[in-house]
Amino acid sequence: AQSVTQLGSHVSVSEGALVLLRCNYSSSVPPYLFWYVQYPNQGLQLLLKYTSAATLVKGINGFEAEFKKSETSFHLTKPSAHMSDAAEYFCAVSHNNAGNMLTFGGGTRLMVKP
Amino acid sequence: KAGVTQTPRYLIKTRGQQVTLSCSPISGHRSVSWYQQTPGQGLQFLFEYFSETQRNKGNFPGRFSGRQFSNSRSEMNVSTLELGDSALYLCASSLEGKGEEQFFGPGTRLTVL
Repeated sequence: AQSVTQLGSHVSVSEGALVLLRCNYSSSVPPYLFWYVQYPNQGLQLLLKYTSAATLVKGINGFEAEFKKSETSFHLTKPSAHMSDAAEYFCAVSHNNAGNMLTFGGGTRLMVKP
Repeated sequence: KAGVTQTPRYLIKTRGQQVTLSCSPISGHRSVSWYQQTPGQGLQFLFEYFSETQRNKGNFPGRFSGRQFSNSRSEMNVSTLELGDSALYLCASSLEGKGEEQFFGPGTRLTVL
């Protein structure tokens, strides 16, 4: 069985500050890991994904995440927050044996203060 | 290239009724997955279809069912609606599945009264 834990359901940062959203996973086999963003009244948009090619993954909008197997973590970071980054962020895991079934974390709502 | 489309976008039903939601994947995509999103339970996987066959199924009662047509379009059906079925239902498509990026539609907001 696989699971995903996102620490902090709400994170607030000031514009220009570092964004750090935490994600820990458990998986019995090597996982695929994803970060998605959801803006109000919209579906999910992929920010980045890890598929074992490189441990540091760069995504869209200046986001990146680092896969740390020893810590079973895949935290999302962005050096400088922008007001447009305010949204809900979801970490998700799947693995090759499970087709395309994603297991999501509970989500983290990011608020950006001016 | 057109994205994933879902119809209808909003739906209001009463308890005991049934509902059918539709999803058209991106052209060429053969895998379609469905997810339920609620404030209490978050995002939960319902089922995945690939080449008209259910490939994976989540932990939902039998009232939830789906199918996929030869053109990869998919429908999901919920029978005997309950208040707890009120949710945003998201459809996602990918080329083949298995670790690929899934492209999500805007969702169908179902309200059960």
